[in-house]
Amino acid sequence: KNEVEQSPQNLTAQEGEFITINCSYSVGISALHWLQQHPGGGIVSLFMLSSGKKKHGRLIATINIQEKHSSLHITASHPRDSAVYICAVNSRGGSNYKLTFGKGTLLTVNP
Amino acid sequence: SQTIHQWPATLVQPVGSPLSLECTVEGTSNPNLYWYRQAAGRGLQLLFYSIGIDQISSEVPQNLSASRPQDRQFILSSKKLLLSDSGFYLCAWSQVTGKNTIYFGEGSWLTVV
Repeated sequence: KNEVEQSPQNLTAQEGEFITINCSYSVGISALHWLQQHPGGGIVSLFMLSSGKKKHGRLIATINIQEKHSSLHITASHPRDSAVYICAVNSRGGSNYKLTFGKGTLLTVNP
Repeated sequence: SQTIHQWPATLVQPVGSPLSLECTVEGTSNPNLYWYRQAAGRGLQLLFYSIGIDQISSEVPQNLSASRPQDRQFILSSKKLLLSDSGFYLCAWSQVTGKNTIYFGEGSWLTVV
């Protein structure tokens, strides 16, 4: 079983819909990252969080440390949001240098 | 501001040929540097990380190697490529201490034929 599990694997939405992508992890962590990978392959860091909630524009990331769960929400989704969203964690107690990645969620937003 | 550059962006190499992918970081000093691979249908896998010049740790056994000849330069190499080396390779960096945002290069698509 992967240490980091994302759901769903694939998500198709209509423009304007509210989207939620989930990430569960099985290890103690010091931080969790949400990344966005566009079709060309480039990856951008969206959020890094260790507690609570962060918001950037239409994107919101939340984390529940006790439940070992994080969600990424996109409000008023747009076709340009179409991408692979990847959850990654820094394991607590282990090396600060390594991240464990989920397999990603492919989001397609149709106009 | 900090930037990371990775090249080449795409390459097609025959089996048994050598490989060299290069990554440089600008605007910061003594970064942690990483090489990841993303094979088709799989998540990102850490191949190497470096905490300083000539300090390289390997995460998975393979026919790839990494070198860090300068503080902000990270090179991924192979003497003889295998078909299974095909994939998308990403260089990344982060600050040394604590938990920090990780920044990725543009990536390199490698097809071994």
